[in-house]
Formats: sequence, C-alpha cells, structure tokens
Amino acid sequence: SYVLTQPPSVSVAPGKTARITCGGNNIGSKSVHWYQQKPGQAPVLVIYYDSDRPSGIPERFSGSNSGNTATLTISRVEAGDEADYYCQVWDSSSDLHVFGTGTKVTVL
Amino acid sequence: QVQLQESGPGLVKPSQTLSLTCTVSGGSISSGSYYWSWIRQPAGKGLEWIGRIYTSGSTNYNPSLKSRVTISVDTSKNQFSLKLSSVTAADTAVYYCARETWDGGYDSWFDPWGQGTLVTVSS
Repeated sequence: SYVLTQPPSVSVAPGKTARITCGGNNIGSKSVHWYQQKPGQAPVLVIYYDSDRPSGIPERFSGSNSGNTATLTISRVEAGDEADYYCQVWDSSSDLHVFGTGTKVTVL
Repeated sequence: QVQLQESGPGLVKPSQTLSLTCTVSGGSISSGSYYWSWIRQPAGKGLEWIGRIYTSGSTNYNPSLKSRVTISVDTSKNQFSLKLSSVTAADTAVYYCARETWDGGYDSWFDPWGQGTLVTVSS
C-alpha cells in the first residue's frame, strides 16, 4: 500500500520558517491535505488540495507538492504553532485514505 | 457550523464488539457531497483511517480492518455509527468521527472532526 514518510521532528525558532516534508512515490500526482494536532485535541485541517487554506487558517500556512515530496511551510512561526502535523492522501489503487507518519514541530 | 460528537462505551472486553455513534449537529448529514468517516489514533501514535459511508449507504473500509468493520448511517437521527468486532488490546485508541468533503473525483479531506473518544480494550 501507499506510504507517506514525514520527519519525526522539526525544531524552529520563533519568527523563522518551518518546512515539513511528506514523501511518497510520485506524490505530485495526488492531492495532499495537511492537519495540525495539538496535544489532547482533534486534528484540524490547515491545507487542502496541496496549497488551499480553509477559512480561518492564517496565511502563514502554505503548501506545495511536486515530484516525490509535498511540503507544508509555516512562516513567521509562533509558539501556538507547536503541534503534530500530518499529511494525507487518497490512494485510489487501494481505495484507502493514507496518513503520513506525523511530524512534531517544536518552537524553540 | 457543523459539529460532530462521538459517543459510546469507553471500555470494551477483548473479543467483543466496539460500538460508537457520531452525532452531527448544525447541518443535515444528508446534504452536500460528503462522506462520513471514522479515524483512530492509538496513544502516542499516528492516525489510521477506518472507513467511511456516503448518505446513500455506500461504504469503503480500510482493507486491514475490513473483515471486522461495519459503518452505518441513520439519517433520521443525523447520526452514523461504527462497529468493530473481535477487538483486542491493539484496538485501544482514541476514535474520531469526521466529515469528509468529496470533490466528486478522487480527492477528499477531513473537516471538521469530532473531539474524539478513548476506547480501551481490556478485561
């Protein structure tokens, strides 16, 4: 089945840029969606269709997808951005939603 | 705005059936191009999609769980439900329900999610 690989952790200083990658075979041919999950809370959609933001999500959150890597970028990182982030795709060959392994973002 | 709320027993014995219900408020479960999904997350681990149902009754299940999962919908109550049979300790997790927006093609995403409910499998 399709596998999405994310780095376990990313550390970033406040005000800097965090980039979270999501690797998958030819992932650029799929649409990637991203979720933010803070401790003890349900995930929240932050990016859909690779780079679209739901209403209420700050413009600091952006996404891109090409080749074998999709990327979630958080600009001007704030302490409140500290959370786990998951990518997600639909694997049409298996009729299955697949989530990435998750990345913990730590704000230094 | 649409809100989802999971309910059901927090403790299930091994080999028994886990049953959860998700109540949708703020909108009709029958309106729009939406699937209704169940997702779970063991403590300290990642997210696993369990399955989904369309309001027509059409379902898709994770192949790894398919033999044990049943998802149903009750449009009169604006609810959908999950049954997972023959549970073991490996099924202990926080279970989330979520609305899945479907674009009519191959893409869909989850928004919003319920708050989640912890189900522990133990004797």
